[in-house]
Formats: sequence, C-alpha cells, structure tokens
Amino acid sequence: SAVISQKPSRDICQRGTSLTIQCQVDSQVTMMFWYRQQPGQSLTLIATANQGSEATYESGFVIDKFPISRPNLTFSTLTVSNMSPEDSSIYLCSVEPSGASTQYFGPGTRLLVL
Amino acid sequence: GQQLNQSPQSMFIQEGEDVSMNCTSSSIFNTWLWYKQDPGEGPVLLIALYKAGELTSNGRLTAQFGITRKDSFLNISASIPSDVGIYFCAGTPPLSGGGADGLTFGKGTHLIIQP
Repeated sequence: SAVISQKPSRDICQRGTSLTIQCQVDSQVTMMFWYRQQPGQSLTLIATANQGSEATYESGFVIDKFPISRPNLTFSTLTVSNMSPEDSSIYLCSVEPSGASTQYFGPGTRLLVL
Repeated sequence: GQQLNQSPQSMFIQEGEDVSMNCTSSSIFNTWLWYKQDPGEGPVLLIALYKAGELTSNGRLTAQFGITRKDSFLNISASIPSDVGIYFCAGTPPLSGGGADGLTFGKGTHLIIQP
C-alpha cells in the first residue's frame, strides 16, 4: 500500500478564482491519477498524471480547466481553474504502486465554490 | 465509455445480518476492486481480484471475480455497526497501448445498519 496526503483538505473559494491541490505519496510511484466525486455521486477519472510528460485527460476534461503537474515520482498537483459552483466536489488523487494492479486513494480535498 | 452497474443502491439491514452486493458490466474487465468510503474520507481498498473465477476473502468480506469477467460480487457476513458506509466496485478495462488505466467506478451501495 501507500500513504497519501492531500492539501488542502478543504476550501471555500469564490467563483472565477483558481485552486491548486497537492498530492504527496510516501514512496515513488509511476502512476498517479486524479478523480472528481461530485456531491452524493461516484468517482470519475479526470486524468492520469504522467511523470515527465503531459497528463492524459479523460473525455469531458481539458488541460485548460484542470492543469496537472507531476514534477517527480512522489508528488502531483491539480489546479481547478476559473472555478464555478459546478466545480464544487471532492477531488481525490490515487496512486498505483509498481507491480500492483490496484489503486490507493488520498483523503480527498473538499471544494466549495460560491 | 464503459459503465458499471452496481446494486442495490442502498441497503437497510439489522446488525448481524449478511450483506450481498454486486456489479455488472456489458464489457470485460481485467481487475475488479471493492472499496469502502466513510464520510469525509477517501475510498479504502477492501479486496482486489485479478483472475476470472477468483474468490478472495478478507475477514468477514468475500468477493468473487465473475467467470465471464463482466461481473463481481461482495458479501459481508455478520454485519456490525462499523460496516456502515458506501461500498464501491471499480474495475480496470483491458489495457490499450500499454500503461495503466484509471478505474471505472460503480455508483455505490449505501449500507445502513439498524442495531
């Protein structure tokens, strides 16, 4: 398994602003992912954060709205840009340790946009 | 994209009862995973299944990877109050072009236990 932390744990933001969420893991991992969980809903994959290259985005998510950085094998950031109330969600990062076909999740960042 | 149909959506049971939930898909998956999410927390991995027909237990939890690779079930025996939460199935589709894929999640089963 892996120990994953996220910052901030929660935030309240004004529409039109941007928030950067950090994800830190306690060991080097090749694969990191970002998910969104809208209120009362399931998890939806936003993108795969690739180390050393651009993130791979799922249908419906674009880099201009959700830019992602992956500077090394233990850290990634997701930015929610030009926020609107519809962006109010829980944002979760996950990691897939090498050789393990499973993913472990961070505690999530709870975002409320007013 | 691929979708997972998870049922039931919610369950109201008495403490001590057994619980069963399942997920189905119209397409095959390489991996089936079961997670539990408590309020204010991220999902926690309960059981991972990697082979068609695989049956795996984790304490009072038992899960199986369907032989057709299109379904999985999770059973909880002798439920206790701390089993309350939302249970999600998740799967990984067959790889395309190498590299790992993100998970596709079911909509979740809300488990409520009456003492």
